[in-house]
Amino acid sequence: TQLLEQSPQFLSIQEGENLTVYCNSSSVFSSLQWYRQEPGEGPVLLVTVVTGGEVKKLKRLTFQFGDARKDSSLHITAAQPGDTGLYLCAGALWNTDKLIFGTGTRLQVFP
Amino acid sequence: EAGVAQSPRYKIIEKRQSVAFWCNPISGHATLYWYQQILGQGPKLLIQFQNNGVVDDSQLPKDRFSAERLKGVDSTLKIQPAKLEDSAVYLCASSRPAGTASGNTIYFGEGSWLTVV
Repeated sequence: TQLLEQSPQFLSIQEGENLTVYCNSSSVFSSLQWYRQEPGEGPVLLVTVVTGGEVKKLKRLTFQFGDARKDSSLHITAAQPGDTGLYLCAGALWNTDKLIFGTGTRLQVFP
Repeated sequence: EAGVAQSPRYKIIEKRQSVAFWCNPISGHATLYWYQQILGQGPKLLIQFQNNGVVDDSQLPKDRFSAERLKGVDSTLKIQPAKLEDSAVYLCASSRPAGTASGNTIYFGEGSWLTVV
């Protein structure tokens, strides 16, 4: 069974701090996606990374796909209360439409 | 472009009762998914359809859960009889087939929140 482990599971920080969320697996993925989910809503796609070693930036968010395509990280610079939510990574299995979700990281940013 | 539509948004039922959730995917998306998300956890795939055929239902508890997508568009997920541990958000999602433009990008609905008491 493929498994995507995220760490930390919970993160509570003050506004302005930096943080990194990790997503690790023993499986190789063709692509990896990051989602953010707010209470009462479905997950919303933030980014898709496709190439091993790829780095993508989305304003204060930086996403990296590991060289071996087994892991990824999300770094947030100067976190804001609006960043609060559940962050989910999801890996796509090769040549399938199947997406395996990570265990989730719940982020709380206090003003 | 309209998103994935789900209904009802909220449902409270007693254990052993039945419930059905409906999903309308994004137009043109051949692949439809039902996920179960326990509070605070990542979504778990229950069933995946490609058009009206089942691609993967390995994690669907078939003794009580059923799903269909008869015409390859809308889908219904049913639970009968419900158990307390079925309390969760049921997310419907859709995507274009892998290998197509934006393939593997899954778009989620807002979810149907089920509480079993």
